[in-house]
Amino acid sequence: NAGVTQTPKFQVLKTGQSMTLQCAQDMNHEYMSWYRQDPGMGLRLIHYSVGAGITDQGEVPNGYNVSRSTTEDFPLRLLSAAPSQTSVYFCASSPISPGLAHYEQYFGPGTRLTVT
Amino acid sequence: KNQVEQSPQSLIILEGKNCTLQCNYTVSPFSNLRWYKQDTGRGPVSLTIMTFSENTKSNGRYTATLDADTKQSSLHITASQLSDSASYICVVSTGFQKLVFGTGTRLLVSP
Repeated sequence: NAGVTQTPKFQVLKTGQSMTLQCAQDMNHEYMSWYRQDPGMGLRLIHYSVGAGITDQGEVPNGYNVSRSTTEDFPLRLLSAAPSQTSVYFCASSPISPGLAHYEQYFGPGTRLTVT
Repeated sequence: KNQVEQSPQSLIILEGKNCTLQCNYTVSPFSNLRWYKQDTGRGPVSLTIMTFSENTKSNGRYTATLDADTKQSSLHITASQLSDSASYICVVSTGFQKLVFGTGTRLLVSP
């Protein structure tokens, strides 16, 4: 199992450009999510999905879109990049099942995005 | 407002020594408390998960404690190794994947 994979690892964008951060998992997890991590702050939830075709907003969704057409993939789209979106982005997944197993959350390696 | 506060912000210890990291939370409702280890440039990795009824849980040299009455948790690292150098993040869950993250303690283990 590769676990949760993210591409690219690094990206530099100019203000106003758009791009898609890719996330894939091979553990057949129903739940997937996107977080951003900024210095001096805890991880903050951007969007999440509980299954294919189902997405919802997290704490900081403005400026980001998501879709979930398959169980495996959960891309994050930046529509018009702004310097405030400079951050490290993490994708995570977990199973939805009874018991402690559904408490586990598996994180990808992250994408470091800089918007100039 | 739900908050998770960790102390200290950073810590330097000598290899082989023990250390304890603290986490205080004001979160409601409480579902479970987790400790994650995050190596530089990597994603967080789960160390322990404790529910309301558990007051201690170990994972190798890592031992987490939970006092639900005082809303405090600690992570004790025994016989530290250079590979323990990382950020340690305390996370409190209020429901399924409804998580409140602390800002982390950055630990440096020096040879």
